[in-house]
Amino acid sequence: GENVEQHPSTLSVQEGDSAVIKCTYSDSASNYFPWYKQELGKRPQLIIDIRSNVGEKKDQRIAVTLNKTAKHFSLHITETQPEDSAVYFCAASINQAGTALIFGKGTTLSVSS
Amino acid sequence: EPEVTQTPSHQVTQMGQEVILRCVPISNHLYFYWYRQILGQKVEFLVSFYNNEISEKSEIFDDQFSVERPDGSNFTLKIRSTKLEDSAMYFCASSEMSRWYFGPGTRLTVT
Repeated sequence: GENVEQHPSTLSVQEGDSAVIKCTYSDSASNYFPWYKQELGKRPQLIIDIRSNVGEKKDQRIAVTLNKTAKHFSLHITETQPEDSAVYFCAASINQAGTALIFGKGTTLSVSS
Repeated sequence: EPEVTQTPSHQVTQMGQEVILRCVPISNHLYFYWYRQILGQKVEFLVSFYNNEISEKSEIFDDQFSVERPDGSNFTLKIRSTKLEDSAMYFCASSEMSRWYFGPGTRLTVT
């Protein structure tokens, strides 16, 4: 089955810096890659996703890149703010409803002002 | 914006007892899921459900677990005989095709 590895496990940046979180996946059939933000005690919230027919997607300060050949994808947050502090999870799935969404272990991002 | 809801928010039970966790998926979604998250760990897939049947389940979802859609709106997860290691946050999710939306979770504490 699919296995998703995520690095780093913790990331500390200064406000205004950029943050990059990287994930690799094992199943070449996976073609949907969402990123979730989870604040303490709350539900995972979808912040951005990318499908395999696209190499990059951007939404304001957040961007995701995908390299299908290397089986890795990354989350880029620019101009970080203290409210970006949270746990970020990458995930991967075959693009079919009803199939499992497999998560990475998460990255705890701390943005200090 | 419609959201997935879950009840209760926190459930405390004694080892060996049965618990039922309840979820109301987003109304026009057809695919439903349960995930769990042990404190400080990643979100783990348990089971997916479509058209009144289990579509896929993980190794975690053993005979102690069952799911049901008892009516047109609720989706439940039953744990028959809880163990200490079942203590976790349980998230329900629903999807339209391949975009998952998560509920707020039920924190299950087994003592």
